Amino acid sequence: SYELTQPPSVSVSPGQTARITCSGDALPKQYAYWYQQKPGQAPVLVIYKDSERPSGIPERFSGSSSGTTVTLTISGVQAEDEADYYCQSADSSGTYPNWVFGGGTKLTVL
Amino acid sequence: EVQLVESGGGLVQPGGSLRLSCAASGFTFSSYAMHWVRQAPGKGLEYVSAISSNGGSTYYANSVKGRFTISRDNSKNTLYLQMGSLRAEDMAVYYCAREANYGASMDVWGQGTTVTVSS
Repeated sequence: SYELTQPPSVSVSPGQTARITCSGDALPKQYAYWYQQKPGQAPVLVIYKDSERPSGIPERFSGSSSGTTVTLTISGVQAEDEADYYCQSADSSGTYPNWVFGGGTKLTVL
Repeated sequence: EVQLVESGGGLVQPGGSLRLSCAASGFTFSSYAMHWVRQAPGKGLEYVSAISSNGGSTYYANSVKGRFTISRDNSKNTLYLQMGSLRAEDMAVYYCAREANYGASMDVWGQGTTVTVSS
């Protein structure tokens, strides 16, 4: 089955830049999406189609893609950004139910 | 306000059944495909099932195929997940989510309902 691979954890100091990667063989052909999940809360979509930002998401959140890796970048990290982040995409067919999530990355703000 | 509210979670014995509901409000429910995603305690997100906007097409992850049934009642703005032959590994918070207009993603999520499978 198709897999997306994320680092388990990333740590940054406030004001620094956090980069969270997600790797998958189908990413050159399929868009990636990023969700933020804080403890006890539902996920929130923060990036769609690799690099687009939904309304209401702060500009410090951005996304990029290069080959089989996509990256979520949080510039000027704030304490409130501490959360789990999940990438999501699909296998090469792009159809249900082959949507998959990465294993998640815990962002710690030191 | 666009909102999804799940209900129906609870404690069930292994092998038992449970039906989850997801009440939608604030948007035209019948225009959107809908999804169920779950999260086991301390674990990541797992895609479970999807249903097209008119209910004519349904999809299931291999882990639940043959045991779970997704359905919807557009007249009641409600999504359902009928779960059967429940196993310990089905224990999770179950989220319903609306499929986004801009791609293979989910832009609105409910708060989740907890399913506990234990004897």
